[in-house]
Amino acid sequence: DAGITQSPRHKVTETGTPVTLRCHQTENHRYMYWYRQDPGHGLRLIHYSYGVKDTDKGEVSDGYSVSRSKTEDFLLTLESATSSQTSVYFCAISEVGTGREEAFFGQGTRLTVV
Amino acid sequence: DAKTTQPPSMDCAEGRAANLPCNHSTISGNEYVYWYRQIHSQGPQYIIHGLKNNETNEMASLIITEDRKSSTLILPHATLRDTAVYYCIVRASTSGTYKYIFGTGTRLKVLA
Repeated sequence: DAGITQSPRHKVTETGTPVTLRCHQTENHRYMYWYRQDPGHGLRLIHYSYGVKDTDKGEVSDGYSVSRSKTEDFLLTLESATSSQTSVYFCAISEVGTGREEAFFGQGTRLTVV
Repeated sequence: DAKTTQPPSMDCAEGRAANLPCNHSTISGNEYVYWYRQIHSQGPQYIIHGLKNNETNEMASLIITEDRKSSTLILPHATLRDTAVYYCIVRASTSGTYKYIFGTGTRLKVLA
């Protein structure tokens, strides 16, 4: 299994509080992604990174920010959590040009905003 | 970004081949098609990917039409453990960076 760890795995927080989710990899992959998954939807891309300090928005980036200060860590921050951000969040990593170009996914973080 | 369209659900008898279709009519020439599956709420699991040619691995076969506007994932001998949601994904390329765009998936139920 690819070395990818999400933390925390479960979190309950109150509306209006800041929340940071962490994705940590040990594969030295250049690309890292944050997705959210809600009932009736597939995974929707929030933000992604293609290198240290290089990030870009995905389909549903409003209300989220990210940071990547080192290769192994990609942080997703909800500056002021809302109930609509209750979801399961998945991190993924990938590399290009190595012959193994699939994305590997973490086990998810279940976030509940009350 | 290229979108994918899949039927929401399918059933397949155990031991038979499961053929899962996907439409990606707006795919660009350098964009790959990937298939993943998700069992319960676990992280999606990679199955196979391809660009133009048909591909086969130990899990499945991928058939891509000549115009690349659609593809079919084939599980040759479905088992109960293949019950899952299957996602057809286009790996989009923008300014030299890559991102994986999911569709809504097909819920495959393998019946005993």
